Amino acid sequence: DAGVTQSPTHLIKTRGQQVTLRCSPKSGHDTVSWYQQALGQGPQFIFQYYEEEERQRGNFPDRFSGHQFPNYSSELNVNALLLGDSALYLCASSSPGQGAIGDEQYFGPGTRLTVT
Amino acid sequence: DAKTTQPNSMESNEEEPVHLPCNHSTISGTDYIHWYRQLPSQGPEYVIHGLTSNVNNRMASLAIAEDRKSSTLILHRATLRDAAVYYCILILYSGYALNFGKGTSLLVTP
Repeated sequence: DAGVTQSPTHLIKTRGQQVTLRCSPKSGHDTVSWYQQALGQGPQFIFQYYEEEERQRGNFPDRFSGHQFPNYSSELNVNALLLGDSALYLCASSSPGQGAIGDEQYFGPGTRLTVT
Repeated sequence: DAKTTQPNSMESNEEEPVHLPCNHSTISGTDYIHWYRQLPSQGPEYVIHGLTSNVNNRMASLAIAEDRKSSTLILHRATLRDAAVYYCILILYSGYALNFGKGTSLLVTP
């Protein structure tokens, strides 16, 4: 049983460009969350998708947007990249509709984004 | 959101028990206490969670103070594979986000 998968593994972009990161949740999971982890820091919550809608959003600007597809996979889009967007982007999935309170969130290995 | 306070780092010898503390003095009655860990070059991994009572699973035990203002994650026999950053996280009953702090970096020495 494949866990959470993310692509690509690494990515280098130039300031001002746009980037799309992809995530496939663990089998049987329908909820996907995205996190940003800067070097030496804990992950910061960006947003969560459930039933193809954004259910909760963290303190991130509108440059960060997402999408969830009918097969529960998800994309994270970042526009107008800044140097400060360089980070590890983590995707997490969880089981139906329960949110974070009682369910384990399963994390992928992340996508390392470098903005130059 | 209620905040948590953890030591920046701790060290343990292999095969000895490890007690990782977490203070959360502003915890509300509906906050759940979750622990995750992050091994080097990996995404975070769920360890355990609880509300009021102590909890045990195959990975660890969670001891919650009677007033719920602190908790302790207990690894019964540390192995080299347990070297990781351990995060103590409070989650509102109606919440979905995991709000990670800086966590405790655990070093396990042979």
